[in-house]
Amino acid sequence: GAVVSQHPSWVICKSGTSVKIECRSLDFQATTMFWYRQFPKQSLMLMATSNEGSKATYEQGVEKDKFLINHASLTLSTLTVTSAHPEDSSFYICSARDQLAGRADTQYFGPGTRLTVL
Amino acid sequence: LAKTTQPISMDSYEGQEVNITCSHNNIATNDYITWYQQFPSQGPRFIIQGYKTKVTNEVASLFIPADRKSSTLSLPRVSLSDTAVYYCLVGDTTGGFKTIFGAGTRLFVKA
Repeated sequence: GAVVSQHPSWVICKSGTSVKIECRSLDFQATTMFWYRQFPKQSLMLMATSNEGSKATYEQGVEKDKFLINHASLTLSTLTVTSAHPEDSSFYICSARDQLAGRADTQYFGPGTRLTVL
Repeated sequence: LAKTTQPISMDSYEGQEVNITCSHNNIATNDYITWYQQFPSQGPRFIIQGYKTKVTNEVASLFIPADRKSSTLSLPRVSLSDTAVYYCLVGDTTGGFKTIFGAGTRLFVKA
C-alpha cells in the first residue's frame, strides 16, 4: 500500500517549452501533496504544498507563475514548468500525505522525474 | 518547524549494526519523527516513524528518549545495498504536515 507514482520518469525539452509532471497516489486519497526539487548531491528542497481543490502554497523564492500546480482530485496533482530554461533542469519529486485514522500521517514519495532542459 | 541535525556521512562494514542519530532540539508536542532512505535518482523511501520510546519494524528500529530532542535510527546487520542517504524528518502530522529536509546522512557500507 501507500504507493505514489510520477509520470514521466524523465523528460528532455527545449528551452522555452512547458513540461507537465503528474503525481498520483495509487491506493490512497491524498488531500495534501508536496512538490520538491533536488539538485545533484543536495537534499530535497520543498517547492510547494498542494491542497486538493484549492490553490497551492509556495515556498519563499519559488515562482508560482513559473511552477504551476494543480491538485484537481484526491489522487492527482500536476506540476507544470512553464517556459523552461536550462537552470530548471533538476530532479522533481512529489509526495502525498496518507492520513490514517488513529495513526500519525505519513508522507510517501514518488520515484521522481528527471527534467533536462536543453 | 523543527530543524534537524545529522552527521553528514558514516561508514560501516557489511553485517554491522549502524546507528544514525538525529538531533531535533525544538521538536513540538505534535511532531512525529520519520526516517527516509534515498538512493540516487530515486524518491525517498519511508523507513520508520515514531513519537516516543521505541518503534521497531522489519527493517529498522527507532529509539526516542523521553525528552524527544533526538532520535536514533538503528539498522541491524547492514548490507552493501543499504548504502544510501538517510533523512530524519520532524513534522506536525496533525496540522499542515509541512516538513523540511535537512542534509541527511550519507551511509557507505563496505564489504
